[in-house]
Amino acid sequence: DAGITQSPRHKVTETGTPVTLRCHQTENHRYMYWYRQDPGHGLRLIHYSYGVKDTDKGEVSDGYSVSRSKTEDFLLTLESATSSQTSVYFCAISDPSGQGNTGELFFGEGSRLTVL
Amino acid sequence: AQSVTQLGSHVSVSEGALVLLRCNYSSSVPPYLFWYVQYPNQGLQLLLKYTTGATLVKGINGFEAEFKKSETSFHLTKPSAHMSDAAEYFCAVTRREGTTDSWGKLQFGAGTQVVVTP
Repeated sequence: DAGITQSPRHKVTETGTPVTLRCHQTENHRYMYWYRQDPGHGLRLIHYSYGVKDTDKGEVSDGYSVSRSKTEDFLLTLESATSSQTSVYFCAISDPSGQGNTGELFFGEGSRLTVL
Repeated sequence: AQSVTQLGSHVSVSEGALVLLRCNYSSSVPPYLFWYVQYPNQGLQLLLKYTTGATLVKGINGFEAEFKKSETSFHLTKPSAHMSDAAEYFCAVTRREGTTDSWGKLQFGAGTQVVVTP
């Protein structure tokens, strides 16, 4: 199994509070991603990083920010959580040199966030 | 732009019967295609992938999928369902020639929940 650890695994918070989810990898993969999973929508990309301090937006980035100060850590922040951000969040990693250039992703086990 | 359509959000199969999960994709460039499986309260695990070459690809746990360019399809099959196949399955697509900022940006289908009955 890929060495990907997400924390916290479960969190309940209130509307308007800030929340930070952490993804830590031990694979030294260059690319890291945050997806959210919602019923009927599959997984949708929030933000991704293609190197330290290099990040970009995905298709559902509004209300989220990210930071990557080290290769192994990718943080997802909800500055002011809303009920629509109740979801399961998955971190994924990838590396072109590691998978023969096929774009395969390895996933963490997810962080379940409930915003009341 | 790329997209994936999975036909059927829920599929029920009898143990020992054929499993068939349908996936159609849209891509303006040559695609890489994937099937992932998700067991309850777990992350996604790669079942199989199509990159180039042979259009029939075999994956783990007896699953296989066939890339049909003319039909823009990548359907997943398993000849004989097992109780342990109960899970959610996701089809995904990404562009073959990725650039630095597009690498690994998979577009996922909505998922198909598979229930296996004795």
